[in-house]
Amino acid sequence: SQQGEEDPQALSIQEGENATMNCSYKTSINNLQWYRQNSGRGLVHLILIRSNEREKHSGRLRVTLDTSKKSSSLLITASRAADTASYFCATARLSIQGAQKLVFGQGTRLTINP
Amino acid sequence: DTEVTQTPKHLVMGMTNKKSLKCEQHMGHRAMYWYKQKAKKPPELMFVYSYEKLSINESVPSRFSPECPNSSLLNLHLHALQPEDSALYLCASSPRPYRDRNTEAFFGQGTRLTVV
Repeated sequence: SQQGEEDPQALSIQEGENATMNCSYKTSINNLQWYRQNSGRGLVHLILIRSNEREKHSGRLRVTLDTSKKSSSLLITASRAADTASYFCATARLSIQGAQKLVFGQGTRLTINP
Repeated sequence: DTEVTQTPKHLVMGMTNKKSLKCEQHMGHRAMYWYKQKAKKPPELMFVYSYEKLSINESVPSRFSPECPNSSLLNLHLHALQPEDSALYLCASSPRPYRDRNTEAFFGQGTRLTVV
């Protein structure tokens, strides 16, 4: 079952602008991760934020996590045409057997216009 | 080597065929996953293997049969599929269950399956 809801479903902005995507989830989590997918191929990991962290940065990416509201946001600053892709949040919980179970949100399709 | 390799990249099969998807990683990861992704939808978890043992089956129909013959290899055996099973099948791996509790997953490029 899918846990995350992402908002917006689609976002189109001009190159150089900032893009913000939001993710909400329903259950307790171990961590929350963001992935990018180009043209329906493999997913690429962008950033991971643990449940006891509130904010994390990686290059042009900034992620926030509010566990009281069960929500996260991904900010991409100074967007580039190459950032055009689908972005998914994924909540991670540990199974009894110790493996990390990742459940993906619905995703945001981001288009950067030159 | 930080790659997860999936073969074949594309597969067309009839509803009476038996085929297998293959996934390989040489990163020493001990958790491996199969996901199914329909067009414009998020990946849906199918199976999780932890130390070569099946630990999660998300109520997947028995026409999908996973196998983990060793720590580097993960197969998905397909039999008597339906056209609605057509999708992108993604394999992923992550490091050591129990010991690595906050780790990213590494995904392969997927196998695009069409059932006719």
